[in-house]
Parts: sequence; structure tokens; C-alpha cells
Amino acid sequence: DAKTTQPTSMDCAEGRAANLPCNHSTISGNEYVYWYRQIHSQGPQYIIHGLKNNETNEMASLIITEDRKSSTLILPHATLRDTAVYYCIVRPTLDDKLIFGTGTRLQVFP
Amino acid sequence: EAGVAQSPRYKIIEKRQSVAFWCNPISGHATLYWYQQILGQGPKLLIQFQNNGVVDDSQLPKDRFSAERLKGVDSTLKIQPAKLEDSAVYLCASSSRSYNEQFFGPGTRLTVL
Repeated sequence: DAKTTQPTSMDCAEGRAANLPCNHSTISGNEYVYWYRQIHSQGPQYIIHGLKNNETNEMASLIITEDRKSSTLILPHATLRDTAVYYCIVRPTLDDKLIFGTGTRLQVFP
Repeated sequence: EAGVAQSPRYKIIEKRQSVAFWCNPISGHATLYWYQQILGQGPKLLIQFQNNGVVDDSQLPKDRFSAERLKGVDSTLKIQPAKLEDSAVYLCASSSRSYNEQFFGPGTRLTVL
């Protein structure tokens, strides 16, 4: 399975865009990029996923580079409730396992 | 739509004791997962069920951990006997199909003294 590298922690001011990077340089053609987040004392929550095109939903946008070796999760207007650990996961299309790393701890401040 | 339910939310036991956790997945979800999350780490898959059959239990320490999903709905995870290193949050998740989004419960925080 391809591995991911994320910064340990990041800060973001409330109302500003939070841009969370993820490196997955060994990703293969049949592997999706998934993002989950985990708010304190809760279980992980699905955010978004993509294969090679950029994706957007009501929670976030996912930008995947053309070579697919890295991606960025964008929270367009961060709120205090977005404070959480964000996990970037590479997942093969024919494999339903989620292999979590240690993620990025995002702190949104007032 | 009700989410994944887990109980208890917290449990404190002494080493060598037994403990069981219960999970009720989202109605209609055929796939159920149990994860272990040690403090400061991401969740690690212990076992995956498809209906009442085990799909993957390669990471389950079978000498002390067991899990079942008898009627393809609720599931229990048991530890017998517990060790100090089993202190963790045990998360249950479910999905409608194995490749789909997984929905997680709030977890059970286990402390082994």
C-alpha cells in the first residue's frame, strides 16, 4: 500500500482557508486518495475522496496534482468546529481497508 | 438516520480481567469493522465482517481477542485476559458495501490498570 506523509500539526485562523497537504509519491494508478477527520473524543468522519480529478463537496475540496504524487485538502472557511486530526489515506480500488497514519492536527483559532 | 452505536463509552478494568464491547451498526449496513486506536496513533483495523462472516482478521491478536457478529447485525468484541497494552479506544464502523464510505461510532475507551 502506498504511504502518505502529512505535517504533524497546522494552525489556521477562523474564517480563513485551511490547506492541508499530503504527499503520496508511491501512489499507483488504481489507488484513490481519501480524507477522514477525527474530532476529539469522536470516531473518524469521512470528508472526501478522489482518483485524479479535483473534487468538491459541501465539506471541502480536494486538489490532486497531475502526477498524483501529492494532494491538498481545502476547507474554504475554517471554523472552530473544524479543529481535528485530518487523515490522508491512499486506498486501492479493490481493497476496502483504511490504513490510517498519524494525520495532521489542525487547530483553528479565533 | 441513526449512526453507529457503541457501548459502553468507557471501561476501566485490571489486567488479566475480561471485557466485552458492543456495536450496533447503521441499519442495512452489511460490512462491520472493529478498530483499535492507541493514544497518539491512527486507528488500526482489527477485524472486518461481511454480514456474519469474517473477511479479514489478520491483525486481531487471536490469543486474547475474539469477535462475533452472529446474526449479521450487532457485533461484540471481547478481550480475555486484558493486558496493559490493550488500553486504547475501540472503534466500530460500518458501511453499506465494503468499498463505500465507513461510518464510525464514538468508540469505547478502555483503560487497563
